[in-house]
Amino acid sequence: SQQGEEDPQALSIQEGENATMNCSYKTSINNLQWYRQNSGRGLVHLILIRSNEREKHSGRLRVTLDTSKKSSSLLITASRAADTASYFCATGSYGQNFVFGPGTRLSVLP
Amino acid sequence: EAQVTQNPRYLITVTGKKLTVTCSQNMNHEYMSWYRQDPGLGLRQIYYSMNVEVTDKGDVPEGYKVSRKEKRNFPLILESPSPNQTSLYFCASRTTGAQGNTIYFGEGSWLTVV
Repeated sequence: SQQGEEDPQALSIQEGENATMNCSYKTSINNLQWYRQNSGRGLVHLILIRSNEREKHSGRLRVTLDTSKKSSSLLITASRAADTASYFCATGSYGQNFVFGPGTRLSVLP
Repeated sequence: EAQVTQNPRYLITVTGKKLTVTCSQNMNHEYMSWYRQDPGLGLRQIYYSMNVEVTDKGDVPEGYKVSRKEKRNFPLILESPSPNQTSLYFCASRTTGAQGNTIYFGEGSWLTVV
């Protein structure tokens, strides 16, 4: 299995600021995904970036992938209180097991 | 609607009383997995299944059993629950095809063992 490890473990920012969290992994991947979890709820898929992509956008989300450094970052721009959640990265390859890291807990203060 | 359904959502049980948490998906996914989530420990994988009759241990399989007799179902069995299995449990599924990497999660099952 392959594991992503998020950093930082916790992040607290003011509404309107940008939030950046990082994910590092150990082995080669086909894609990397970011998920969001509101407290006590199931994880929800946010965005997928393939190994041949360097950057991807979705609304206020921007994901980058650096396969040479085996790392990815998730940027949430103009954060809102509703963005308060835990964010997880998952790495894997086709047909393989996916494993999640411990997550980054984001608090956006009004 | 694409769904992963877990039952029960909430359960309080006593030590040693066997219980089963069911998981069903309606997307014809080959891959299914169980996780437990505890404060500060993120998601830890218990067991996963790449297809019918194919299961494998995750990081924390002790005290749990699974079976995959049908593609849509992947029950989690606690033969003799103990208080350290009190946790929030998630079932997840995805297809193993080249385009099917999004993992779909159930809403979670809160289990308390007293």
